[in-house]
Amino acid sequence: SQQGEEDPQALSIQEGENATMNCSYKTSINNLQWYRQNSGRGLVHLILIRSNEREKHSGRLRVTLDTSKKSSSLLITASRAADTASYFCATDPYNFNKFYFGSGTKLNVKP
Amino acid sequence: EPEVTQTPSHQVTQMGQEVILRCVPISNHLYFYWYRQILGQKVEFLVSFYNNEISEKSEIFDDQFSVERPDGSNFTLKIRSTKLEDSAMYFCASTRISGGANSGANVLTFGAGSRLTVL
Repeated sequence: SQQGEEDPQALSIQEGENATMNCSYKTSINNLQWYRQNSGRGLVHLILIRSNEREKHSGRLRVTLDTSKKSSSLLITASRAADTASYFCATDPYNFNKFYFGSGTKLNVKP
Repeated sequence: EPEVTQTPSHQVTQMGQEVILRCVPISNHLYFYWYRQILGQKVEFLVSFYNNEISEKSEIFDDQFSVERPDGSNFTLKIRSTKLEDSAMYFCASTRISGGANSGANVLTFGAGSRLTVL
C-alpha cells in the first residue's frame, strides 16, 4: 500500500494539553495535507505543507515534514474539547491524480 | 463558502441491486474524486475523474463500479450489483488543480458523504 499511516490510532488528552499525531508515507510527494473528520461527517482540510518546506504553522496547528524519513507530524497546541475528531494525513504522489489517506488518529479531548 | 453536495445522505438497498450516488462538485473545480470509508476505518481512494474521463482508479474500483458526469454539474458513482461489503460511507471530493500538480494548491473539498447500507 502507498497510503499514509497515522499513529497513534487513538489519543486521549485533557483540555489544554498538546496533541501530537504522526504520519508516515512511502512514495515521493508534491505535498502533504492534514484533514479533520468529525464523527460521521466529511473530511475538512486543515493545512498543507509542500515537499520543500520543513515546518508550517496555522493558528494552533503546527506541521512538520521530513522527506528523508517520509514522515510528518501534526501538533495541536492548547487543545479544546471541540478538537475531538479523527485526523488524517493525505499525500499526493508525483504525476498521479489521486490522494492517499491513512487510517487516521482518533483524538479525544476531555473537558 | 462553496460546498460539495451529495445525495442521498443515506441509502439502504438489497444485495444485488444497483445504486447511484450523486454529487455536485464546486462549480469551478475540474478534478473529481470518489472515496469510501468503511465504518471507522481508513479513507480509501476509488477513482479520480478529469475532462470527462477516469484519470486514476484503485483496485477496489472494479467492473461493478462506474462514474460519469452526465450534465456538466452532477458527478455520479454507480454500483451495478451491490454486495454486503459495499456498505460504507462514500465521499465525493473535488479540487481545482490536479492531485499530481506541484502547485501546493490542490486541496480537496469533500462532501458530507452518502451512507450506503447493503442488506
